[in-house]
Amino acid sequence: TQLLEQSPQFLSIQEGENLTVYCNSSSVFSSLQWYRQEPGEGPVLLVTVVTGGEVKKLKRLTFQFGDARKDSSLHITAAQPGDTGLYLCAGDRNRDDKIIFGKGTRLHILP
Amino acid sequence: EAQVTQNPRYLITVTGKKLTVTCSQNMNHEYMSWYRQDPGLGLRQIYYSMNVEVTDKGDVPEGYKVSRKEKRNFPLILESPSPNQTSLYFCASSLSASWGGRGPDTQYFGPGTRLTVL
Repeated sequence: TQLLEQSPQFLSIQEGENLTVYCNSSSVFSSLQWYRQEPGEGPVLLVTVVTGGEVKKLKRLTFQFGDARKDSSLHITAAQPGDTGLYLCAGDRNRDDKIIFGKGTRLHILP
Repeated sequence: EAQVTQNPRYLITVTGKKLTVTCSQNMNHEYMSWYRQDPGLGLRQIYYSMNVEVTDKGDVPEGYKVSRKEKRNFPLILESPSPNQTSLYFCASSLSASWGGRGPDTQYFGPGTRLTVL
């Protein structure tokens, strides 16, 4: 059972377009994190959201944590080729010290 | 430079031949973790360590061992590798093992070790 479902799995769009990717669960998480991973490298943390309803912005990236702390979204405005990569969400349930990752959304921005 | 290092970066071996993948961090982090990444399955946690001499199983610990004798090092041991352990492995570390309500500390990932077991 995949505790964190990410959608879409793949997304290919033109430079300049907007997009949203999702991370959903039936479980409540204490916090959710978003990572970006580029080929041949390890994931790099983008943001951590900890409060239900929280919105965080990182330049053209907007992250939202659902009110019930079961889901999160990542919105990219005016996508650029440099945004290309694998976007992973990860959560902790505060029951243990494990971190659970979703399978990721592979994003490709066409110039 | 603050970093997590892994060695080797690439390894091809045969079934049953014991191997160790080393992981070292120079940030004095308490929490260290091993993940494997497989197509269609994402990142799955193998083992983690809250501090020296404290290790716990993650979601897929079968066939792996770890040790944490020093704070900086967290080697991953495959006593008898099998082809289903062919994967991309990542070591990660974070400052604290006590997250409370503020969420996990930033995990810093190593560059990965691509392992092929024939």
